[in-house]
Amino acid sequence: GENVEQHPSTLSVQEGDSAVIKCTYSDSASNYFPWYKQELGKRPQLIIDIRSNVGEKKDQRIAVTLNKTAKHFSLHITETQPEDSAVYFCAASSGGSYIPTFGRGTSLIVHP
Amino acid sequence: DVKVTQSSRYLVKRTGEKVFLECVQDMDHENMFWYRQDPGLGLRLIYFSYDVKMKEKGDIPEGYSVSREKKERFSLILESASTNQTSMYLCASSLLRGEQYFGPGTRLTVT
Repeated sequence: GENVEQHPSTLSVQEGDSAVIKCTYSDSASNYFPWYKQELGKRPQLIIDIRSNVGEKKDQRIAVTLNKTAKHFSLHITETQPEDSAVYFCAASSGGSYIPTFGRGTSLIVHP
Repeated sequence: DVKVTQSSRYLVKRTGEKVFLECVQDMDHENMFWYRQDPGLGLRLIYFSYDVKMKEKGDIPEGYSVSREKKERFSLILESASTNQTSMYLCASSLLRGEQYFGPGTRLTVT
């Protein structure tokens, strides 16, 4: 089955800095890569996703890049703000089922 | 607006008790999922269901069972609760292909 590795497990940045979270996956058939944000005490929510026919996707301060050859994808957050502090999960899923396998999460702390 | 609700936010049960966690979604989604979330281990899939009365084991099904009698409702059952099942349980639903919508979670403590 699919295996997703996520790094780092904890990321501490100053407000205004950029943050990058990286994930690798094992199944070359994976074709859908969502990112979820979970604020403290709240449920995970989708913030951005990318499909395998696209190399990059941007939404305001958030971008995701995908390298299918190397089987890795990354989340980039620019101009970080304290409200970006949360746990971020990457996921990968393959085939027609879109049942995702999640990474272990990255705790992002943005210091004011 | 998608809504996924879970029957309890907090639950305390004794070892050996039978525990029912219920999840309801109001968006006619085909897929429903049960995850457990533990610090440092991320979201681990217990069971999922892609249709009424259909279920598939996830990565950690041991000690759990599920029931989906209606499309909108997916129940997780701990037949005999044990202390190592103390955890946060998250339910989610999705269309056949796409974004998952999570419930608020149930923090279960087994003493």
